[in-house]
Amino acid sequence: AQKVTQAQTEISVVEKEDVTLDCVYETRDTTYYLFWYKQPPSGELVFLIRRNSFDEQNEISGRYSWNFQKSTSSFNFTITASQVVDSAVYFCALSEARGGADGLTFGKGTHLIIQP
Amino acid sequence: GAGVSQSPSNKVTEKGKDVELRCDPISGHTALYWYRQRLGQGLEFLIYFQGNSAPDKSGLPSDRFSAERTGESVSTLTIQRTQQEDSAVYLCASSSSGLSYNEQFFGPGTRLTVL
Repeated sequence: AQKVTQAQTEISVVEKEDVTLDCVYETRDTTYYLFWYKQPPSGELVFLIRRNSFDEQNEISGRYSWNFQKSTSSFNFTITASQVVDSAVYFCALSEARGGADGLTFGKGTHLIIQP
Repeated sequence: GAGVSQSPSNKVTEKGKDVELRCDPISGHTALYWYRQRLGQGLEFLIYFQGNSAPDKSGLPSDRFSAERTGESVSTLTIQRTQQEDSAVYLCASSSSGLSYNEQFFGPGTRLTVL
C-alpha cells in the first residue's frame, strides 16, 4: 500500500532563512503523482504543486522549489528567504494511477514556524 | 462563491447523536472526496464519489458512517451514534474528474466535537 512520511513534525526558523521540508513516499505503482499542499492557520488547504512520476525535473516557483528524486523516493520542498506568511502546516501527498478512487494519501504534515 | 463550501463550520454534539455534514463542490466538478483530519494529524481518506456513485466505501471507518451525493452536486456525510473518537475536522474536496493527477480543491472543513 502507498505511504507518505514527513519525518519533521515541526520546524522553526528565523525569517529570511532557507528551509527544506522532507517527504519520502512508498508506492508499488510506476505511475503516480505527488502533491504539496499548504494549510495556513485558517485551515483551508491550498494546492502548491503536482509532479508526475515520469518528470524528475526540479521546479522553481518564486521562493519555492521542489526536488523530486525517484532513486530515494523523495519529493522535498524548499522555501528560500522564508517569510512570516509562510508559517503553516505543509502536507505532502501521493496519488496512484488507480485514479481518484483511492483519494490522496497524505503525510502527517510539517508545522513550519517562521519567526520574525 | 466559486470554491468548495461546507456546512456547518462547527458542530458540537453529544455522544450517541447523529450528525450530518454537508459539502457543496465547485460547480461542474464530477469528483468529490471526503477526508478526516484528527488533531495534529494528516488527512485520512474516507470516500470518493464519481458523479453520484461511490465505487469503494471501504475507507469509511465504521458502519456508523455513510455518505451520499445527489444531482452530481451536494454531498452529505452522516455519522450515526457519534462517539468521542469521531471528533475531528471533516474536509471535503472536489476535482474536475476522478483522474489521479487532478488537483483537488478543498473546502474549509467542518469541525466536529463529540462530548
